[in-house]
Amino acid sequence: KQEVTQIPAALSVPEGENLVLNCSFTDSAIYNLQWFRQDPGKGLTSLLLIQSSQREQTSGRLNASLDKSSGRSTLYIAASQPGDSATYLCRLREGGADGLTFGKGTHLIIQP
Amino acid sequence: NAGVTQTPKFRILKIGQSMTLQCTQDMNHNYMYWYRQDPGMGLKLIYYSVGAGITDKGEVPNGYNVSRSTTEDFPLRLELAAPSQTSVYFCASRPPWEDTQYFGPGTRLTVL
Repeated sequence: KQEVTQIPAALSVPEGENLVLNCSFTDSAIYNLQWFRQDPGKGLTSLLLIQSSQREQTSGRLNASLDKSSGRSTLYIAASQPGDSATYLCRLREGGADGLTFGKGTHLIIQP
Repeated sequence: NAGVTQTPKFRILKIGQSMTLQCTQDMNHNYMYWYRQDPGMGLKLIYYSVGAGITDKGEVPNGYNVSRSTTEDFPLRLELAAPSQTSVYFCASRPPWEDTQYFGPGTRLTVL
């Protein structure tokens, strides 16, 4: 059974720092990996989707990488801002309509 | 488009009561999902549906029931509420050709 681990569980950094969030998984037979953002009291919003054949995806200040062989993905946030404060979850896609496994998330606080 | 809408936003139930959580999407998505999210945990799949008239169990279906009579609606029924069902419930949808799920804002349920 696929297991997804996100480290750290929580992170607090001053504004302006670059930071890296980690997502590791046990079974490398995945179709893709997606990073979501969840604001308090809200649903999940998609940030970046990396297909299994890709190494990375970029959107603005966000860069996500995928290394299937080592079972790892990272989300890099450049020049962090207080508005980046949220919980970040990674989600793996395997076979089947229900083949979606979420990590527990990293709770990120950016101090002004 | 309103996207995925969920009602109610909040609800307090007594043990043994029943209720239905409503979920509607106006994007004509075939796939719909119900998740629960407990504090500090990832999302656990309760039930999913790949189209009207078709539903299937996810990882944690006990204590819940679903129906899918139309493409738009996917209600989740709790028959005999228990304290263990205290959680935040999220509904999501996606088209079959896209892996990104679109999430509703969630329903926060407390069973006392």
